[in-house]
Amino acid sequence: EVRLVESGGDLVQPGGSLRLSCAASGFTFSDYWMTWVRQAPGKGLEWVANIKPDGNEKYHVDSVRGRFAISRDNAKNSLYLQMESLRADDTAVYFCVREPHAGAYYFDYWGQGTLVSVSS
Amino acid sequence: EIVLTQSPGTLSLSPGERATLSCRASQSVSSYLAWYQQKPGQAPRLLIYDASNRATGIPARFSGSGSGTDFTLTISSLEPEDFAVYYCQCRDIWPPIIFGQGTRLDIK
Repeated sequence: EVRLVESGGDLVQPGGSLRLSCAASGFTFSDYWMTWVRQAPGKGLEWVANIKPDGNEKYHVDSVRGRFAISRDNAKNSLYLQMESLRADDTAVYFCVREPHAGAYYFDYWGQGTLVSVSS
Repeated sequence: EIVLTQSPGTLSLSPGERATLSCRASQSVSSYLAWYQQKPGQAPRLLIYDASNRATGIPARFSGSGSGTDFTLTISSLEPEDFAVYYCQCRDIWPPIIFGQGTRLDIK
């Protein structure tokens, strides 16, 4: 059974930092592109970043580029999102999601999400 | 950047009725269109990909159609568990993933 379990969400002050983790199981993690998608409270979904299976290609949405960094550790079957210089508009549930195959534009498995709240 | 516009914003129907949800793209996305269902407090669930292919385990009452700029998600006969928010999603050059704003399907 494919499982994605996020952790690391917390209440943090503006300008602060946080590292999100996603533990993957039930599939060969190193074969898949992985993505972070976020959802602000009561709002829609927003793609944040994705990373190639070997970790050598990474892409970030413009609003987080230079502040957030996606990474992975295939030996630990884990995906990460390092978040710096957090702002109030980064407040959201962050989902770890799997792309079903190379070149896919959709996501077949989602974690349950972890809440990041940025407030003083 | 492609914009996906979903309509209506809210749809109020009764169990057993047919639901028709629309997603319109600001430019052609060919058949690269997916649909998700999201219930309160849960992650989205993939329903449809490539406009008309049901994802694994999705009941046959869910169907997708369309190509180019106009797409439809149809639920043939609503079950109580189908009342949720539905999102469409496509690919773009940048950002690579675009979501619609969602349609809320409420019990009438």
